[in-house]
Amino acid sequence: QKEVEQNSGPLSVPEGAIASLNCTYSDRGSQSFFWYRQYSGKSPELIMFIYSNGDKEDGRFTAQLNKASQYVSLLIRDSQPSDSATYLCAAHNTDKLIFGTGTRLQVFP
Amino acid sequence: EAGVAQSPRYKIIEKRQSVAFWCNPISGHATLYWYQQILGQGPKLLIQFQNNGVVDDSQLPKDRFSAERLKGVDSTLKIQPAKLEDSAVYLCASSSQGPNTEAFFGQGTRLTVV
Repeated sequence: QKEVEQNSGPLSVPEGAIASLNCTYSDRGSQSFFWYRQYSGKSPELIMFIYSNGDKEDGRFTAQLNKASQYVSLLIRDSQPSDSATYLCAAHNTDKLIFGTGTRLQVFP
Repeated sequence: EAGVAQSPRYKIIEKRQSVAFWCNPISGHATLYWYQQILGQGPKLLIQFQNNGVVDDSQLPKDRFSAERLKGVDSTLKIQPAKLEDSAVYLCASSSQGPNTEAFFGQGTRLTVV
């Protein structure tokens, strides 16, 4: 079992819709979770992180964490074509930062 | 604030040759990561340093890969000898100490082994 799992996609949504990206993790010792966006040929850049159960909102982005279910999600409201990228979920414990394989999001006009 | 610096940006080598990558993390960042990202996959952690000590290197192919972080600042990652399957982007990242801190990535080194 992979430590951090994501559906590779692609996830296609129309412009203006809500995109929902999901991630599960296997290590219950993981303390914090990160969502990175990676454009093709570029390095990952942080969108937001979460470490408490519940929701955390930042602009059009909402991260959700459910530690009991070992589940993390990212919602993107009012999706724009510029949001088209690969979204990487990462889990951090005291020892290391582990990434999932990423979900490719396509937002079409 | 200067970001994470990596060099070279691109490298093409023949199989069985050796190659080295360099990383200069953000000033003051104690944690340094080396990731390997094969096309279409997520970053795979190769080695993590805390200052100049190794925290995790369980995924580092130690028969051919080596890494060091002398004086707890700059780091080098070496591959010797390279194989075709080592073709990937090698990403260096750094962060402050602690689990709730962002890892900042360098631009990466794209390695092609032919």
